[in-house]
Amino acid sequence: RKEVEQDPGPFNVPEGATVAFNCTYSNSASQSFFWYRQDCRKEPKLLMSVYSSGNEDGRFTAQLNRASQYISLLIRDSKLSDSATYLCVVGQGGKLIFGQGTELSVKP
Amino acid sequence: DAGVTQSPTHLIKTRGQQVTLRCSPKSGHDTVSWYQQALGQGPQFIFQYYEEEERQRGNFPDRFSGHQFPNYSSELNVNALLLGDSALYLCASSQPTYNEQFFGPGTRLTVL
Repeated sequence: RKEVEQDPGPFNVPEGATVAFNCTYSNSASQSFFWYRQDCRKEPKLLMSVYSSGNEDGRFTAQLNRASQYISLLIRDSKLSDSATYLCVVGQGGKLIFGQGTELSVKP
Repeated sequence: DAGVTQSPTHLIKTRGQQVTLRCSPKSGHDTVSWYQQALGQGPQFIFQYYEEEERQRGNFPDRFSGHQFPNYSSELNVNALLLGDSALYLCASSQPTYNEQFFGPGTRLTVL
């Protein structure tokens, strides 16, 4: 079983749609949680950190449920520029453990 | 403010050769981590350097080794290259008290 598991993709959505990504992690000792975005053949870029209280950044909302070991990302009013691979990431003692990523394609 | 830089951008080697990849961290960062990303997969942690010491190591063989210099820059060395070592090698930098890591553009290694 992988340490971080994400929904299989790809997700194909129209502009303006709301899309949700889900992720589970297996190590309850994980200390920090993130969503990264990766464009084709580029490096991962930090989208947002995820906190137990939930956090929002514009159209993006992230949630963490430590009891269920579950992380989510919601994108509202999706734009063409949101097309990318979204990586769920947990931090353990300084190292990052990545999910395999979920590809999102937003169509006009 | 310069971000994380890596060199070279691309590299082609043959099986059995050795390779050295280089990374300079973001200004103000003193911790460097290396990751390997195979096609279609998420990055996998190789090791992390802080104060010129290997602080943590992932599940990679001893063929993978590294070094950190006093100016915080780092090298990743891979000996006896295998076809399966073909991947994007990513360097990330951070401050030791923060878990947020910032990635460089990567080095794409092809082993023939």
